Amino acid sequence: SYELTQPPSVSVSPGQTARITCSGDALPKQYVYWYQQKPGQAPVMVMYKDNERPSGIPDRFSGSGSGTIVTLTISGVQAEDEADYYCQSADNTNTFGLVFGGGTKLTVL
Amino acid sequence: EVQLVESGGGLEQPGRSLRLSCAASGFNFDDYGMNWVRQLPGKGLEWVAGLNWNSGSIGYADSVRGRFTISRDNARHLLYLQMNSLRREDTALYYCAKAVTGDYSEYGMDVWGQGTAVTVSS
Repeated sequence: SYELTQPPSVSVSPGQTARITCSGDALPKQYVYWYQQKPGQAPVMVMYKDNERPSGIPDRFSGSGSGTIVTLTISGVQAEDEADYYCQSADNTNTFGLVFGGGTKLTVL
Repeated sequence: EVQLVESGGGLEQPGRSLRLSCAASGFNFDDYGMNWVRQLPGKGLEWVAGLNWNSGSIGYADSVRGRFTISRDNARHLLYLQMNSLRREDTALYYCAKAVTGDYSEYGMDVWGQGTAVTVSS
């Protein structure tokens, strides 16, 4: 089965830049979407089509891609950004299927 | 206000069935694809199933194909997930999520409900 791979955790100090990666063999041909989930809350989409921000998402969130790796970058991290982040794309091995990455816990030190 | 409210979760025995519902409001439900996504306790997100605005395209995760059925009633603004032959590993919080377009797999999921909990145990 197709997998999207994320680091389990990323830690940064307030004001620094956090980079969360998502890797998958088919990513050069597919869009990636990013979701933020805070404890006890439903996920919120923070990036779509690799690098487009939904309305209401701060511009410190940005996205980029290079080959099989897509990156969510949070510049000037704030305490409120501490959350789990998930990437999502189409499932390369399941027609009509979707897949999520395993998630990355962002800790703001 | 755009809103999704799930219901129908609960405790059920292995092998039995449950039907989840998701009530949509605040947007033209019949214009958008919809998905079910679950989250096992303390774990990450897992896509379960999705369908297009007119149910013309439907997809399932390998782990539920043949046991779960997704459907929608556009007139009543409702999304359903019929869960048969339940297994302990189906225990999770089930979210419904609205797609950005009429295609459930296109451009991500921009609105999520708060989820309904399903526990499969004897």
